Amino acid sequence: AQKVTQAQTEISVVEKEDVTLDCVYETRDTTYYLFWYKQPPSGELVFLIRRNSFDEQNEISGRYSWNFQKSTSSFNFTITASQVVDSAVYFCALSEPSSNDYKLSFGAGTTVTVRA
Amino acid sequence: DGGITQSPKYLFRKEGQNVTLSCEQNLNHDAMYWYRQDPGQGLRLIYYSQIVNDFQKGDIAEGYSVSREKKESFPLTVTSAQKNPTAFYLCASSTAAQETQYFGPGTRLLVL
Repeated sequence: AQKVTQAQTEISVVEKEDVTLDCVYETRDTTYYLFWYKQPPSGELVFLIRRNSFDEQNEISGRYSWNFQKSTSSFNFTITASQVVDSAVYFCALSEPSSNDYKLSFGAGTTVTVRA
Repeated sequence: DGGITQSPKYLFRKEGQNVTLSCEQNLNHDAMYWYRQDPGQGLRLIYYSQIVNDFQKGDIAEGYSVSREKKESFPLTVTSAQKNPTAFYLCASSTAAQETQYFGPGTRLLVL
């Protein structure tokens, strides 16, 4: 079963628009970790944020913000005032300590295209 | 500069050939991982190592092998038993198993 679902395959916006990427996860663990990574065209995954399951505070970092809602098992990501450099594939991922390998279970990714 | 390096950037494999992908890190991380990414998909775990001289299979280990003789190095061999090796391979490392994983630039493997 898919542990992380990113329902949006592709999103296209015009520069300066806001864009929200949805992420829904599934786990039986009470302690778990959620991540967002950015994959620009070069291919390297760039770490954006890590959130543990006990910290439900929303976080803002510059134009990026994250909304963690445990009640709906969602960890959504918003880019405010998007720029062309934000064009990339964005992955949400889950790490579950009970799995012993601490692997990252990735969603399929959302491709964001920001047009000038 | 501290970081993770992968080489080569592109690798071509002939039928029946084993090829080895290099992954080196100078971050003093204990844990290292290999993931495979197919087009339009997320990453899947091939192998991981939480400490030197120890490694474990991930979800899709068949047709692959690894070694971890040094802390900074975790090479991946794609054997001839891997029938569909064309993919983008990403190496990652973390200070410990439960910590944030940081990724290298990747190696794109193509079959001739």
